[in-house]
Parts: sequence; C-alpha cells; structure tokens
Amino acid sequence: KAGVTQTPRYLIKTRGQQVTLSCSPISGHRSVSWYQQTPGQGLQFLFEYFSETQRNKGNFPGRFSGRQFSNSRSEMNVSTLELGDSALYLCASSFSGRSSGELFFGEGSRLTVL
Amino acid sequence: EDQVTQSPEALRLQEGESSSLNCSYTVSGLRGLFWYRQDPGKGPEFLFTLYSAGEEKEKERLKATLTKKESFLHITAPKPEDSATYLCAVLGSGSARQLTFGSGTQLTVLP
Repeated sequence: KAGVTQTPRYLIKTRGQQVTLSCSPISGHRSVSWYQQTPGQGLQFLFEYFSETQRNKGNFPGRFSGRQFSNSRSEMNVSTLELGDSALYLCASSFSGRSSGELFFGEGSRLTVL
Repeated sequence: EDQVTQSPEALRLQEGESSSLNCSYTVSGLRGLFWYRQDPGKGPEFLFTLYSAGEEKEKERLKATLTKKESFLHITAPKPEDSATYLCAVLGSGSARQLTFGSGTQLTVLP
C-alpha cells in the first residue's frame, strides 16, 4: 500500500513569489491535514480537509490556503512568500471521518525562501 | 488553548541504558494523546494512542503511559536504531479540535 506522497520534495523560491505544494493521501483516506515544521516553532497545524471541505484551520495568515479534490488529493498554496515561510511542510492523511490524531505523514516538502 | 511540553529537549543514552521521556499537557477535554517518532528528513511516524489515565501501550522496547497531566514514553534497553525525535501530541474536544504537538525529545542512543 503506497504511503502519503508529497511533491515537490525540495524547492527554492524568492520573497514575494507564490508556491503550490501537492499531497496524495493513502488510498481510501479522505482526510488530509497540513502542518508546518520549523526548528523554532515545531509542528504547527495549518488546515484539515475532509471530502473537499475545509474542516479546521490553524492560526496562519490568509496567504496560506488549501483545497482538496474529489479524489482526496490536496494542494496548499502560499502567496507572497516571506523569509519566515521557510520550513518543512508536511501532509498527513487519515481514514477517520472525525478529526483524528492517528495520522500518516508524508516525507514533506522542504521550502526555502531567499 | 491546548499546550504540550516535552522534556528533556535532548537525551543521550548508552545502548541498553533505559530511560523515560516526559510529555506534560493541558487540554480541554482530552480526546487522545499521541506519540510519534520522527527520523531526520522524514515525516513523523505514528506510534501510540492513549485515551484515558491509567492506560498503557507497548511496542517492542517502547511503553507509553498516561496520567491526567502527563504521559511518559519508557524506553527499555534501547538500541542505536531507536535514535530519533519523539513527538507527543494531544487532541482536545474544544472548539479548535486540532492536534497540538510538543517540540519533541531528540534521543541519541550510542553503541
């Protein structure tokens, strides 16, 4: 069974640009969550999608957005990039119809903003 | 607001030297406490879920326990392959209903 797949794995952008990250969950999983991981702040929740609907959202500015498609694949977008957006962005999926803490994470997309 | 504090930040053990990692939490209506393992350059890997005080879960050399205020991850006779960052997280029943992670304990097991 394939795990959670995130693309791209690494990317470098400059301030002011925008970026789109993609996540394919485990087959059959309908919930997808996104997290930002930095050395200073640790893992912070961005948002969660279930059946194409945003179910929950963390405390991030509106520059961070996401969506989920009918096949459960998800994308997140960050517009007007800032240096502080440099981080590992992790996607996680779960089968549960309710918010769950038993998540299956991908290997992440490492974003560097110059 | 849910909060999770893990200690120590880093721990170095000799192979075979047992120890415990601590996770203290405050949460509005605990729906679950979760332990994850994260290797460098990888995403976290789910280990355990604990739901209520007194509950224990075991997996190989790891045992997780839960009280009303904290959880412990006991590592018995660790091996170098147990080296990783161990993350604790809680899910509450408050309006946020989002997983809150601690900052982790970086464990190094020396051969």
